[in-house]
Amino acid sequence: DVVMTQSPLSLPVTLGQPASISCRSSQSLVHSDGNTYLSWFQQRPGQSPRRLIYKVSNRDSGVPDRFSGSGSGTDFTLKISGVEAEDVGVYYCLQGTYWGFTFGPGTKVDIK
Amino acid sequence: QVQLVESGGGLVKPGGSLRLSCAVSGFTFSGYYMSWIRQAPGRGLEWIAYISNSGSTIKYADSVKGRFAISRDNAKLYLQMNSLRDEDTAVYYCVRENWRSVDYWGQGTLVTVSS
Repeated sequence: DVVMTQSPLSLPVTLGQPASISCRSSQSLVHSDGNTYLSWFQQRPGQSPRRLIYKVSNRDSGVPDRFSGSGSGTDFTLKISGVEAEDVGVYYCLQGTYWGFTFGPGTKVDIK
Repeated sequence: QVQLVESGGGLVKPGGSLRLSCAVSGFTFSGYYMSWIRQAPGRGLEWIAYISNSGSTIKYADSVKGRFAISRDNAKLYLQMNSLRDEDTAVYYCVRENWRSVDYWGQGTLVTVSS
């Protein structure tokens, strides 16, 4: 299986400041169809996860534009341009290029 | 609007069986791949099974292969879970697949395996 790692695993942030989460895969996530199937999810306390980004950099409908995704190959990043209180939660990356699809371990974001 | 509603979770003894159901609405069920993802208490996410829109393609994670079976009909998704183990204790989410990812999640149903 493809192993996904994230760093940091814990991220205390100051309201209004930017935040960045790294996600790395054990092999390239470029699919034979040319797409890179890396997505990002937010899970607020007590809620189901919610997708923010798919195919590296495509933001889902209704997701604030302070969230952005970038990267290629094996290295990917989720950025929050200015953290708001509602952004507290755990963030997961997911690779969908190879079955079994695998999630990263999660990065817990909270407010300093 | 898209809705996914799981049911069937509960307490079961090791070695027992349980069948989860997921009722969907708000979209054309036959047009989408569907999956089950689980989350052990306080832990991360594990994608355990998916089924194509026609039901002709099914895949399982190694952790559940041979014990769990995913199926679908009409507007319902199912997960038959046999030979349950302590480590199967988790919240089980019914999800809709989109772009080899998930665009909609149910609220989850808790399965507890304990003697």
